[in-house]
Amino acid sequence: ETGVTQSPTHLIKTRGQQVTLRCSSQSGHNTVSWYQQALGQGPQFIFQYYREEENGRGNFPPRFSGLQFPNYSSELNVNALELDDSALYLCASISVGQGDNEQFFGPGTRLTVL
Amino acid sequence: RKEVEQDPGPFNVPEGATVAFNCTYSNSASQSFFWYRQDCRKEPKLLMSVYSSGNEDGRFTAQLNRASQYISLLIRDSKLSDSATYLCVVTDSWGKLQFGAGTQVVVTP
Repeated sequence: ETGVTQSPTHLIKTRGQQVTLRCSSQSGHNTVSWYQQALGQGPQFIFQYYREEENGRGNFPPRFSGLQFPNYSSELNVNALELDDSALYLCASISVGQGDNEQFFGPGTRLTVL
Repeated sequence: RKEVEQDPGPFNVPEGATVAFNCTYSNSASQSFFWYRQDCRKEPKLLMSVYSSGNEDGRFTAQLNRASQYISLLIRDSKLSDSATYLCVVTDSWGKLQFGAGTQVVVTP
């Protein structure tokens, strides 16, 4: 187990709805990255948070937004859900600046949009 | 063009055989290189880092060729438990990971 937890594990939503996914990073890790993995694809980088600030963003529209809290946990929010948003959403934590560049992934949240 | 490209496979490998596959990356400024393993419907897990000098971890050998911008993974004496999708990953200096789509390996008895 990596120590990174995500909730919920599964979620079903309908088009147009909004969703919030949560991630608790590994103890001592100050950076959280979010990834979207569609079926048959590799994970795609959504964005990264470092010390509560967005620090890098992939090719995702503004309806994908996030937050990081003082305890380094994080949320991913997706507004106006589309069918193509159905995917496994992964968060990963890393301790940037402390000589350890391994990213530890949580088990993911599987989102289905109907 | 994708930043990290992999042969999707599947590579069907008899138990005990050797299998090798590559990935290529487009960003010459990429800093770190990894192979991750992902089992069906699970999260990716780090298999090994990849260095220019080549590195070995048991039955797994990884190699990086910066000049040609490719990374390789070789699995010797394949086990049934090696069946998985192997994801090639490159990073920038901030740890942003770029994943390939994965190479599926199926080890058969």
